[in-house]
Amino acid sequence: AQTVTQSQPEMSVQEAETVTLSCTYDTSESDYYLFWYKQPPSRQMILVIRQEAYKQQNATENRFSVNFQKAAKSFSLKISDSQLGDAAMYFCARGSNYKLTFGKGTLLTVNP
Amino acid sequence: AAGVIQSPRHLIKEKRETATLKCYPIPRHDTVYWYQQGPGQDPQFLISFYEKMQSDKGSIPDRFSAQQFSDYHSELNMSSLELGDSALYFCASSLQGAGETQYFGPGTRLLVL
Repeated sequence: AQTVTQSQPEMSVQEAETVTLSCTYDTSESDYYLFWYKQPPSRQMILVIRQEAYKQQNATENRFSVNFQKAAKSFSLKISDSQLGDAAMYFCARGSNYKLTFGKGTLLTVNP
Repeated sequence: AAGVIQSPRHLIKEKRETATLKCYPIPRHDTVYWYQQGPGQDPQFLISFYEKMQSDKGSIPDRFSAQQFSDYHSELNMSSLELGDSALYFCASSLQGAGETQYFGPGTRLLVL
């Protein structure tokens, strides 16, 4: 089975600092998409950022950016200037054949 | 902006009962997906529909069935409920050809007693 691996079950960061969440994936396809979703305590799944595999340029959305290394099948999320509202479970996901395969998640704590 | 609507938001059932979950996609979205998220777990893909036809199937039990209607809303029917079916059920929608970005509804919390 093609998998998505998040090796950090939990991470913590001080408010205003930067944190990077790791993700690796497995795929045999050449065209696919990668996503980071955030799930706060409300359990709503919120799209944070997406990356097209055919694009070399790393995606950026305000304080969120990714480091996409296609050859290494790595897709990390960097959160800059962390805010208390960033505290949540973060899921990395790979999209292929129009379904998402998720990693197990990284629980991010933001300390004031 | 309009989001995905799911109903009901909470549902309590007894073992062996049936349940129907409804999903209304974002306007103009033509594809819907169902995911199941158990406590402390990542979401697991169940099934998807594009233009009212099943497009993919994941780890959906035979006791579950789903369909997409002409107005693109979808229903997930669950029969002979078991304790292990207690979970958060998400519906997501997307626009075919738009880079597979799925937007999730708030979920339906199902508790089977």
